[in-house]
Amino acid sequence: GAGVSQSPSNKVTEKGKDVELRCDPISGHTALYWYRQRLGQGLEFLIYFQGNSAPDKSGLPSDRFSAERTGESVSTLTIQRTQQEDSAVYLCASSFRDYPYEQYFGPGTRLTVT
Amino acid sequence: RKEVEQDPGPFNVPEGATVAFNCTYSNSASQSFFWYRQDCRKEPKLLMSVYSSGNEDGRFTAQLNRASQYISLLIRDSKLSDSATYLCVVNVAGYTDKLIFGTGTRLQVFP
Repeated sequence: GAGVSQSPSNKVTEKGKDVELRCDPISGHTALYWYRQRLGQGLEFLIYFQGNSAPDKSGLPSDRFSAERTGESVSTLTIQRTQQEDSAVYLCASSFRDYPYEQYFGPGTRLTVT
Repeated sequence: RKEVEQDPGPFNVPEGATVAFNCTYSNSASQSFFWYRQDCRKEPKLLMSVYSSGNEDGRFTAQLNRASQYISLLIRDSKLSDSATYLCVVNVAGYTDKLIFGTGTRLQVFP
């Protein structure tokens, strides 16, 4: 079946612009996760959703970052007033809400802020 | 102490070798454990879940030691295609459905 999809695959934006990143989880997966991975670094947790609610937003780096999920499906991560340090790959993953909570990742969006 | 710790490597091994990675975790109440692999500039992919009794999938064997809070991954008969970064993953304290990823151990298999 279809895996997690993300769009766009690449995004180049100017400093100060807003960007929206989209994630379509695997059908039937109730949990959705956003991570950030800077070049050569590990995965940094940003936020996750169970259904449409976000039990944990602790990883969002600043109030410029926000995310929403509607219809227990698509999620959008928005970064306002982008900064150069926001340049990274943004990865989305989804999972069923049952043990062992295996997460499946999309291909990511590579964001470059110039 | 980091929640999940791994030796970053790199481990450079010849084809056909056996290589083992260890990972330690800090939350004694963790219930979910995984190994993922990540190829360069690609997303992480689930390699295998790790169960209490240990489990095997072809050339890959995963073990869990709850008393010492470590997880291991053994790769037998290494192939060139096994070259990747291997991520140790554990669920976060207080969240059964939130995972934390180690920074990974890099494996390079050479001919």
